[in-house]
Amino acid sequence: AQSVTQLDSHVSVSEGTPVLLRCNYSSSYSPSLFWYVQHPNKGLQLLLKYTSAATLVKGINGFEAEFKKSETSFHLTKPSAHMSDAAEYFCVVTRSGGFKTIFGAGTRLFVKA
Amino acid sequence: DVKVTQSSRYLVKRTGEKVFLECVQDMDHENMFWYRQDPGLGLRLIYFSYDVKMKEKGDIPEGYSVSREKKERFSLILESASTNQTSMYLCASSPLPDRGNQPQHFGDGTRLSIL
Repeated sequence: AQSVTQLDSHVSVSEGTPVLLRCNYSSSYSPSLFWYVQHPNKGLQLLLKYTSAATLVKGINGFEAEFKKSETSFHLTKPSAHMSDAAEYFCVVTRSGGFKTIFGAGTRLFVKA
Repeated sequence: DVKVTQSSRYLVKRTGEKVFLECVQDMDHENMFWYRQDPGLGLRLIYFSYDVKMKEKGDIPEGYSVSREKKERFSLILESASTNQTSMYLCASSPLPDRGNQPQHFGDGTRLSIL
């Protein structure tokens, strides 16, 4: 069975400080993992994806994530937060075939000036 | 860039009405999906389709149906709208996976209110 847990429902950082959004997954198969961002009243935009190539994945807007199989984690990081990063972030896991997609509950990121 | 277009951003309908939500994608993707998003419940899959005229139930299909007559268009139908179907509806598409899984591409959503 697959599952995904986003460990924080809310994260608050100051502008210019690092961002860490945590995601743990469970999968019986080799998973594909994704991070999406959703700004208010918009759809989900793909930030980055892991599909069994390099374990450190770079995405758009300076975000990156590291796949750690031993820890079953796929945490999202950014060295320096910007006000425009304030949004909700979703960690997503799929298995082969792509039809079974599990979304995390989301982490809302607040960025203080 | 992939574009997934949902026909309405905001929609207000009355209880008992038949409601159509339309979604069009321009990248020749085989797979299309309908989700609803509610606070505290995240995204829940209603239906998906992996080919024209093919459909599969997701996790919460009750009260909904879908239609896919053309590859680029996937319609969600609320047969008799009820107030508990007030929600944000998101359409997504993805290509067939090659050796790995492909991400889904989302529209901007339709915020539907049933009065």
